[in-house]
Amino acid sequence: DTEVTQTPKHLVMGMTNKKSLKCEQHMGHRAMYWYKQKAKKPPELMFVYSYEKLSINESVPSRFSPECPNSSLLNLHLHALQPEDSALYLCASSQDVSGVNTGELFFGEGSRLTVL
Amino acid sequence: ILNVEQSPQSLHVQEGDSTNFTCSFPSSNFYALHWYRWETAKSPEALFVMTLNGDEKKKGRISATLNTKEGYSYLYIKGSQPEDSATYLCALRNTGNQFYFGTGTSLTVIP
Repeated sequence: DTEVTQTPKHLVMGMTNKKSLKCEQHMGHRAMYWYKQKAKKPPELMFVYSYEKLSINESVPSRFSPECPNSSLLNLHLHALQPEDSALYLCASSQDVSGVNTGELFFGEGSRLTVL
Repeated sequence: ILNVEQSPQSLHVQEGDSTNFTCSFPSSNFYALHWYRWETAKSPEALFVMTLNGDEKKKGRISATLNTKEGYSYLYIKGSQPEDSATYLCALRNTGNQFYFGTGTSLTVIP
C-alpha cells in the first residue's frame, strides 16, 4: 500500500475546464513534488515544495498551478489545458534533503489525465 | 539538467535466469543515485540509494553497484522470478531536491 495517496486516479477534461489533482501524505515529509510522465519517457519534474514553500518550478506553463495548503497536502490546479498535457501525473514526497537523509522519493500511484 | 540513460530499454528473461541492466550518466556532479522499481498500476518504489564511488547495495536477490568515475551503475537480479517483472528506473539527485530520471528498463520474466 502506498503511503502517498493521489486522487483522482483518472481524469478526463476538456480544454476549457478547471480541475484539480490532489496528493496527501502523512509521513511527516517536508518536501513534496509533482512529476509528469508521458509514455516511454522518464518522469519530468514540474514543481517542488519544501516546507510548504515552492522551491522549484521547472518552467512549467501557468495553466498548471500548484498549491501546498499544509505539510500533508499538495494540489495541482489545472486550467485551459491542451491535449498534449495528457499524461500520468505523479506526486511524491521525501524527507527534507538538506540534512543527512537519504532523500528517497515516496510516490503515489499517479493520476492519469486525458485532455480532450 | 543531468542526462541519465538506461539500457536496455526492455528485456525478457526466463524464470531462474540472472540479469543486469545499466544506468549511465556523464558527470559525477550529483549527490546520490537512486534505483526505483515500478510495477504496472502501482507506485514507483525505492530500491537503493547510493552516494559513493564503489558503493554496493543488496536487497535479497537484487543488488546494485555504483562507479562514479566511469559514470555508470549496474542493477543485478539473481535468479529472476515473475514477480520481478517491472520497470526499473534510475535517477540522479543533485544537492537540491531535483531528481533526473532515465527512461527505465522494462523487465519481463517469463515463467
